[in-house]
Amino acid sequence: GNSVTQMEGPVTLSEEAFLTINCTYTATGYPSLFWYVQYPGEGLQLLLKATKADDKGSNKGFEATYRKETTSFHLEKGSVQVSDSAVYFCALSPQAAGNKLTFGGGTRVLVKP
Amino acid sequence: EPEVTQTPSHQVTQMGQEVILRCVPISNHLYFYWYRQILGQKVEFLVSFYNNEISEKSEIFDDQFSVERPDGSNFTLKIRSTKLEDSAMYFCASGTFSGRGNTIYFGEGSWLTVV
Repeated sequence: GNSVTQMEGPVTLSEEAFLTINCTYTATGYPSLFWYVQYPGEGLQLLLKATKADDKGSNKGFEATYRKETTSFHLEKGSVQVSDSAVYFCALSPQAAGNKLTFGGGTRVLVKP
Repeated sequence: EPEVTQTPSHQVTQMGQEVILRCVPISNHLYFYWYRQILGQKVEFLVSFYNNEISEKSEIFDDQFSVERPDGSNFTLKIRSTKLEDSAMYFCASGTFSGRGNTIYFGEGSWLTVV
């Protein structure tokens, strides 16, 4: 079956540091890949997505590139802010209409001033 | 920007009681979902719904759970007889499908505490 593996947190960084959160997946075919973010006390917000190999999703300074050869979708941000403190979830969905998301375990990121 | 809305935001219920969680999906979406997140754990799929019927459900979604779309706008999750282990955040989601695959948006969640 489909699965997503993320690096365990928490990840603690200083403001303006570089952030990488590793995500690898197992799936048949070519799933769509997503990053969702959950700020404290809030729901899941779609951060970015990519739908095919070498596609790069980007939003709010975050980027992730769909790497078919390594089955990875690592999330990066060049200079984090305190407001980026949240839990980040990697997820996949098969390309067929209406298919569910399968989530990784989530990575908590804490950015200190 | 359109969003998925959920009510209530927090509900406390006694074990054995019935609970209904309500959701208003984004209006032009065709695919609807319920997920749950037990405190500190991963987000788990419960059920997906399309064209007025369940399209997929997980092992968690047993006979005590049901979903319906009673009036073309609301999408509800009913838990018939709640157990302590049903305490979790329940997320409703709705989605579209296009040439860029599925895109799924979540509500803010309903926090259910069973005592």
